[in-house]
Amino acid sequence: EDKVVQSPLSLVVHEGDTVTLNCSYEVTNFRSLLWYKQEKKAPTFLFMLTSSGIEKKSGRLSSILDKKELFSILNITATQTGDSAIYLCAVMETSGSRLTFGEGTQLTVNP
Amino acid sequence: NAGVTQTPKFRVLKTGQSMTLLCAQDMNHEYMYWYRQDPGMGLRLIHYSVGEGTTAKGEVPDGYNVSRLKKQNFLLGLESAAPSQTSVYFCASRRQGWEMNTEAFFGQGTRLTVV
Repeated sequence: EDKVVQSPLSLVVHEGDTVTLNCSYEVTNFRSLLWYKQEKKAPTFLFMLTSSGIEKKSGRLSSILDKKELFSILNITATQTGDSAIYLCAVMETSGSRLTFGEGTQLTVNP
Repeated sequence: NAGVTQTPKFRVLKTGQSMTLLCAQDMNHEYMYWYRQDPGMGLRLIHYSVGEGTTAKGEVPDGYNVSRLKKQNFLLGLESAAPSQTSVYFCASRRQGWEMNTEAFFGQGTRLTVV
């Protein structure tokens, strides 16, 4: 059974701090890993990673995948209160049908 | 540009009652999913569909049934609701494949309380 584990489950920081969120996975036929941000309601897409070692970047957010060690990290630099959210990691297997999520990391950024 | 629309947004059921949650997408996506989200447990896959007329079980399918009679709609049914089914339900859809631009899009969620 596919398994996705995120850590930490909860994190509280101050504005301006840099945070690193972790996602490890055990998937029989891994194809890609996705990161989502969930504020009040629906998760919104951040990144899709398919190749090891290639960093994806969007503003203050960046992410990288290590397919040998089976994990990904999501970095947020110079955090702002608007970054407060649940960050979800998901993996897609080769058939492309199932999308399995981890438990999420609840990030709180205090002013 | 509606994307993924879920109805209803809120519902309170009594134990033993039945109901159907509707998910509609206007992006012509092949794949559709139903998830439930409970505190501290992320999104757990209930059922999914890879095309019209096909459905498959996810991680937590017990107590739920689904149907995909039309490509744009994916229905989640609770035949006899139980308090353990109190949760927030999310529908998602995505394009077939795994290359770029095949990420899942989510509806706004349905908050279901079973008393």
